[in-house]
Amino acid sequence: EIVLTQSPGTLSLSPGERATLSCRASQSVDNKYLGWYQQKPGQAPRLLIYGASNRATGIPDRFSGSGSGTDFSLTISRLEPEDFAVYFCQQYGNSLYSFGRGTNVEVK
Amino acid sequence: QVQMQESGPGLVKPSETLSLTCTVSGGSIANYHWGWIRQPPEKGLEWIGVMFHSGSTSYNPSLKSRVSISMDTSKKQFSLKMNSVTSADTAVYYCARDPVDGYGHFDSWGQGSLVTVSS
Repeated sequence: EIVLTQSPGTLSLSPGERATLSCRASQSVDNKYLGWYQQKPGQAPRLLIYGASNRATGIPDRFSGSGSGTDFSLTISRLEPEDFAVYFCQQYGNSLYSFGRGTNVEVK
Repeated sequence: QVQMQESGPGLVKPSETLSLTCTVSGGSIANYHWGWIRQPPEKGLEWIGVMFHSGSTSYNPSLKSRVSISMDTSKKQFSLKMNSVTSADTAVYYCARDPVDGYGHFDSWGQGSLVTVSS
């Protein structure tokens, strides 16, 4: 079972700043099977990135994903007010899915 | 645009069985994988299990002994059963769709159903 560790737990930034979130896997993950989600309070998660670097439908291009092997990252180039939320990474492999514990991007 | 809606009891007693149903509308239930994910209060997401479009299932190893997922394609519903629940199973339970596009992710989610385990 692959464990995903996200860091930092909380990221305090101001609107307009750049956010870089990390997701590290306990063993190598096929790039095809790494995704990122955004969750706002009281809402279901929303898919942002799939296949490590592909934006889901309707996701603005300020969101980008990168990485390979065991190290992946999500970057938000310039934070908009609606981007302050919790972000989760997720992987699939050997018929099992798993999520990281999340990074909370909060207003500084 | 596919939509999913979870339904089931909001309160379950300890040691009893939690049962939830996800109803799919606005799209086909065939040819997709369908999963259950939960989120305890103020915590992260935990994958529970999935039914693949082949009809086979896969479960989180930590929950495998207590969980089962089934599907009724005629009703466009799939269901989760979890037995021997404790307070640790209190969570919002989401159903979600894996579009089987080769990327192993969940592109559509239900709004979630809060289940509280308490006597």
